[in-house]
Order: sequence, then C-alpha cells, then structure tokens
Amino acid sequence: KAGVTQTPRYLIKTRGQQVTLSCSPISGHRSVSWYQQTPGQGLQFLFEYFSETQRNKGNFPGRFSGRQFSNSRSEMNVSTLELGDSALYLCASSFAGTSGGYEQYFGPGTRLTVT
Amino acid sequence: GNSVTQMEGPVTLSEEAFLTINCTYTATGYPSLFWYVQYPGEGLQLLLKATKADDKGSNKGFEATYRKETTSFHLEKGSVQVSDSAVYFCALTDDYKLSFGAGTTVTVRA
Repeated sequence: KAGVTQTPRYLIKTRGQQVTLSCSPISGHRSVSWYQQTPGQGLQFLFEYFSETQRNKGNFPGRFSGRQFSNSRSEMNVSTLELGDSALYLCASSFAGTSGGYEQYFGPGTRLTVT
Repeated sequence: GNSVTQMEGPVTLSEEAFLTINCTYTATGYPSLFWYVQYPGEGLQLLLKATKADDKGSNKGFEATYRKETTSFHLEKGSVQVSDSAVYFCALTDDYKLSFGAGTTVTVRA
C-alpha cells in the first residue's frame, strides 16, 4: 500500500501571501489530520477531516483552513502568511481518526518557510 | 486534556548500548499510547503502540509497556545501532487528536 503523500515538499513564501498544501491519504483511510511542527511549540494539532467534513479543530487562527475531497485527499490553506507560520506541516491519515486506537500514519511533511 | 511528559535529551550512546527514554502521561480515561520516530528531513513513523494497561508494544527491537499504575510508557532497546539515531516522540490519544511529548533526540556513535 502506498503511504501518505504530501506536496510540495518545500515551499518558500513571502509575508502576506497565501499557500495551499496538499495531502493524499492511504487508500481506504477516510480521516485526515493536520499538524504543525516547530522547534518552539513542538507538534500541534490543526484540524481533522472525515468524509469531507471538518470534524475537529485546534487552537489556530482563522487564517488556517482546510478541506477534504470525496476521494479523501485534503488540502490546507494559510492566508496572509506571517513569519511565525514557518514550520513543517504534517498530514496524518487514519482509517477512522484516533478513537478505537486506530493508528495515524504521517506523510513526509511540507517544509514552509516564510520570509 | 491529556498530556505527555518525555525525558529531555539529547541522549548520546555508543553502538550496542542499552537505550531507555522515559515517558509519563496524564489522562482521563484510557488513552492509547504510541511511540513515533522522526529521522532527519522526514515525517513521523509509527514505531509501536499499546491500547490498554499492561499491553506491550514492540517493533524493530524496541519495546514499551503501558503501565497504568505508574502512568508510564517508557521506550527501551537492548542494543542500539547507528541507524537508530533519530528523534523519538511519545504520544497519546487526546479525544480526537494525538498529543505529543517534546521529543528526545538520540545519537548513536559507532
């Protein structure tokens, strides 16, 4: 089975711009979660999508948004980029989310640098 | 919410040494517990998991036991290799998401 794929792997953007990141989950998985990883804050939950619906959201400003398509692929968007948005953005795929002890499988991440 | 406290690194070892990384948790209910590993420039890889008390997760020579009485899930490996150099994260289910420890950087020298 193919793993979780994320595109692009690297991005450099300027403050004020917006960016869209993409994630393709493992075949058969319907839950996609997004996490932000930074040296200062560690790994923080952004949001989770299940069957095209945002099911849960972390404590991030409204500039961070996402969506999920009928094939379970997901995108996240960050508008009006700030320097502090520089991070590794990780997508995690799961059969049904964290309930029931289902594992989350992570992609390689997208490294976003905001200048 | 649930949270994890992980021993701080960095940890430097010689090849074939014994590795222990301490992890304790605070949780309501009975979360599932995980260890993830991150190699340089990569995402997180699931190393092992345990879903209930006294469960032992194991993979690639690594082991961890879900200890409810001490709220711990310590990671151990009997004989490390240079290829085990990475950052290790303890995590638990926290309602609808995973909550992670700060990560422990392990360097194994030949």
